[in-house]
Amino acid sequence: DVKVTQSSRYLVKRTGEKVFLECVQDMDHENMFWYRQDPGLGLRLIYFSYDVKMKEKGDIPEGYSVSREKKERFSLILESASTNQTSMYLCASSLFWTGLSPLHFGNGTRLTVT
Amino acid sequence: AQKVTQAQTEISVVEKEDVTLDCVYETRDTTYYLFWYKQPPSGELVFLIRRNSFDEQNEISGRYSWNFQKSTSSFNFTITASQVVDSAVYFCALIFNAGNNRKLIWGLGTSLAVNP
Repeated sequence: DVKVTQSSRYLVKRTGEKVFLECVQDMDHENMFWYRQDPGLGLRLIYFSYDVKMKEKGDIPEGYSVSREKKERFSLILESASTNQTSMYLCASSLFWTGLSPLHFGNGTRLTVT
Repeated sequence: AQKVTQAQTEISVVEKEDVTLDCVYETRDTTYYLFWYKQPPSGELVFLIRRNSFDEQNEISGRYSWNFQKSTSSFNFTITASQVVDSAVYFCALIFNAGNNRKLIWGLGTSLAVNP
């Protein structure tokens, strides 16, 4: 079974801090994704990566950056955390990005910015 | 416009009842894929099923069944004899062509509570 592991389940940070959310997958998947999930807004794609060192902006990339130095690891970076970035963050990976393979998700990181 | 609508925000049933979760989609593409995912209270979204636009066969997996109807642009999900463990948020999603790439869009989810 594919396992996607997010380093923290809960995180509390202060406004202005630099925040790193880490995600590791163990199935050699090419594609990795970061979503945020908010009540009433559903899942929104922040960034995705289809290969090492490759990244594409999703629907809401503002205020975020990402890093993919190794195939198994995809990091989401909040350069200067703000209260409106309080949310549930979900990492996912998939074998193909053509609709032929499903997304495999981690358990999520609930980030609170105070 | 490409869109996925899950009109039911919350559903509450008593154990052993049957329940249907609705999903209506909009797309101009002739080739697309539809998905259902389950998000239990633990938070991890779990893949349930994928359907491509050329395969309108309904599917049954245990107590779960899916009814795909292109004529009504719907991909509904039925749980038969619901159980407390079915309590979760269920998401319907659509993958379609967006220029040279593919795009995945999500419905807002239906929160299902199955009460003992």
